[in-house]
Amino acid sequence: ETGVTQTPRHLVMGMTNKKSLKCEQHLGHNAMYWYKQSAKKPLELMFVYNFKEQTENNSVPSRFSPECPNSSHLFLHLHTLQPEDSALYLCASSIGTDSPLHFGNGTRLTVT
Amino acid sequence: AQSVTQLDSQVPVFEEAPVELRCNYSSSVSVYLFWYVQYPNQGLQLLLKYLSGSTLVKGINGFEAEFNKSQTSFHLRKPSVHISDTAEYFCAVLGGGGADGLTFGKGTHLIIQP
Repeated sequence: ETGVTQTPRHLVMGMTNKKSLKCEQHLGHNAMYWYKQSAKKPLELMFVYNFKEQTENNSVPSRFSPECPNSSHLFLHLHTLQPEDSALYLCASSIGTDSPLHFGNGTRLTVT
Repeated sequence: AQSVTQLDSQVPVFEEAPVELRCNYSSSVSVYLFWYVQYPNQGLQLLLKYLSGSTLVKGINGFEAEFNKSQTSFHLRKPSVHISDTAEYFCAVLGGGGADGLTFGKGTHLIIQP
């Protein structure tokens, strides 16, 4: 148990589908993150929220849309994805943006 | 800007042998340094961190790392590895008070051979 819970663990979707990834933490952390992990590439930071405000959007395509309704929950809404978007999507949280990250187990996304 | 280089993409080691995983970083500001481990089908777990103070830091599972500012390195070591240490290991740097976010290396796959 990492303290950061991601659902679903696995997701297969077509390019025309709309789906959402969910992340939840009850560690009392104020910052939450979405990372993309693709094979043979470094982890890519996608979005950062600090106290529910988005502070980082790392040139992510608009087909990925984050939502942070409160400090404990983070969503990643997906629509019209491409096969190259298939990857492991990791959520993380931290006390502040200068603190170590705690990761969830990720959602393995496959786009067909 | 900051960057992390993990020169070895894969390191095979026999069980009970020592291991060193190399990490070099570059940053124009003071940094915090981390090692994370990722077991199959799981997220990343913090192994150890260097924030300040002693340059030799000890982490979980018997791992330790030494911060060397002059060589801009933060190599990870374990004196005797176990089969269960087979995993992907990531070095990461956090600089600028967190303004630049956490930057990860590409990872090193540690393979323990019986």
